[in-house]
Amino acid sequence: ELKVEQNPLFLSMQEGKNYTIYCNYSTTSDRLYWYRQDPGKSLESLFVLLSNGAVKQEGRLMASLDTKARLSTLHITAAVHDLSATYFCAVDIDGGGADGLTFGKGTHLIIQP
Amino acid sequence: DAGITQSPRHKVTETGTPVTLRCHQTENHRYMYWYRQDPGHGLRLIHYSYGVKDTDKGEVSDGYSVSRSKTEDFLLTLESATSSQTSVYFCAISEPEVVPGISPGYFGPGTRLTVT
Repeated sequence: ELKVEQNPLFLSMQEGKNYTIYCNYSTTSDRLYWYRQDPGKSLESLFVLLSNGAVKQEGRLMASLDTKARLSTLHITAAVHDLSATYFCAVDIDGGGADGLTFGKGTHLIIQP
Repeated sequence: DAGITQSPRHKVTETGTPVTLRCHQTENHRYMYWYRQDPGHGLRLIHYSYGVKDTDKGEVSDGYSVSRSKTEDFLLTLESATSSQTSVYFCAISEPEVVPGISPGYFGPGTRLTVT
């Protein structure tokens, strides 16, 4: 059974600080996704990481994938209040992208002024 | 935004009644999915479809059935709703081969279901 674990599950931080969210998964996969969810809203795709060593950046967010360690990280640089949200990582159930995703429980991020 | 709609968006129903949720897409994507989201669990896959009349079970399929008679519509049915099925239900669509740089899937706006 594929398991996806995120750490931490809750994070309160101050604006301007840096922090990293970790996503560990239990099966071999070279495809990992990060999503953002605002309260009461749907999920918004942030990053698709397709291979070992993949790194993607968008604004103050940077995601990376280490398939050998079965670890992905989402790094936040100089956090701003607008980044407050819940962040989910997810992994393909079958590795092929067709049979759905297994999600972590999410990291609830609060960024305070 | 991807063309995915869900109906109804909110529903309150009583234990033991049947409920059907609808997902409609205008993107002509082959794959469609139903997830439920509960506090402390993230999203969990209920059922998915890889084409018209082709469906399969996900992690938490007990108590749910699905149907897909047209490419654009994917229905989720709770035959006899229970309080444990109170949740937010999300539909998602995707194509099976991901092209780098393109989102692997789009999620609908969600349906909040309360079973009393």
